[in-house]
Amino acid sequence: NAGVTQTPKFRVLKTGQSMTLLCAQDMNHEYMYWYRQDPGMGLRLIHYSVGEGTTAKGEVPDGYNVSRLKKQNFLLGLESAAPSQTSVYFCASSYPWQGRNTEAFFGQGTRLTVV
Amino acid sequence: AQSVTQLGSHVSVSEGALVLLRCNYSSSVPPYLFWYVQYPNQGLQLLLKYTSAATLVKGINGFEAEFKKSETSFHLTKPSAHMSDAAEYFCAVSAGYQKVTFGTGTKLQVIP
Repeated sequence: NAGVTQTPKFRVLKTGQSMTLLCAQDMNHEYMYWYRQDPGMGLRLIHYSVGEGTTAKGEVPDGYNVSRLKKQNFLLGLESAAPSQTSVYFCASSYPWQGRNTEAFFGQGTRLTVV
Repeated sequence: AQSVTQLGSHVSVSEGALVLLRCNYSSSVPPYLFWYVQYPNQGLQLLLKYTSAATLVKGINGFEAEFKKSETSFHLTKPSAHMSDAAEYFCAVSAGYQKVTFGTGTKLQVIP
C-alpha cells in the first residue's frame, strides 16, 4: 500500500496564479485533512473532510478551497496565490474507532513557494 | 473543545542522556493521545498512541509515554538519547469525532 500520496512535491507559483494540490489515500479512510506547516507555528488545519462529498473549514481556510468528490481523493485549491501562502502543505487521513478519531497518516508534503 | 500544549519549542540533550518532552492536553471527554516525529523534509510518522488501554505506552525507537489523567499530561520519554533522535516531535489529541489537534512541536537537538 502506498498510504497517503501528495502531488506535486514541489511547486513555485507567481502571485495571482492558481493551482491544485492532490492528495490520494488507499487505506479507505473516512477522514482527510489539509494542513500547512510554517516555522514556529506547528501544523495548522486548513480544511478537512469527514466523508465523501463533505468538507469543513479548519483554522486557516481563507484563500483555499477543497473538494472531496471521491473517498480516496482530497483536493486543495489556491485560486489566486499570495506570498503568505508560501508553506509546506501536508495531507493526512484517519478513521473513526470506538467513538474517537484515530491517528492520522501523513503524506510526504508539498513545498510551495509563491513569488 | 480540545487542545494541546507542548512546553519548550526547543530541547537539547546530550547523547546518552534522558529525553523528556512535555505535553499537556485539554479535553472535555476521555481523549486519545498521540506523539509524532518529523525528520527534516519528511512527513509526520506516528511514534506511539494512547487509546485508553494501558496508561504507559511504548512506541518505536525506544520511546514511551505515560498518560496521567490527574495531571492532564502525556509526556514523551526515552532513557538514552541517540543522535538519530534529533527531529521535531508533535503531541496530538483526539476527543470524539473531531479533527485531531496538534501541538506546536518541540525540536530535539542531541549533542554529541
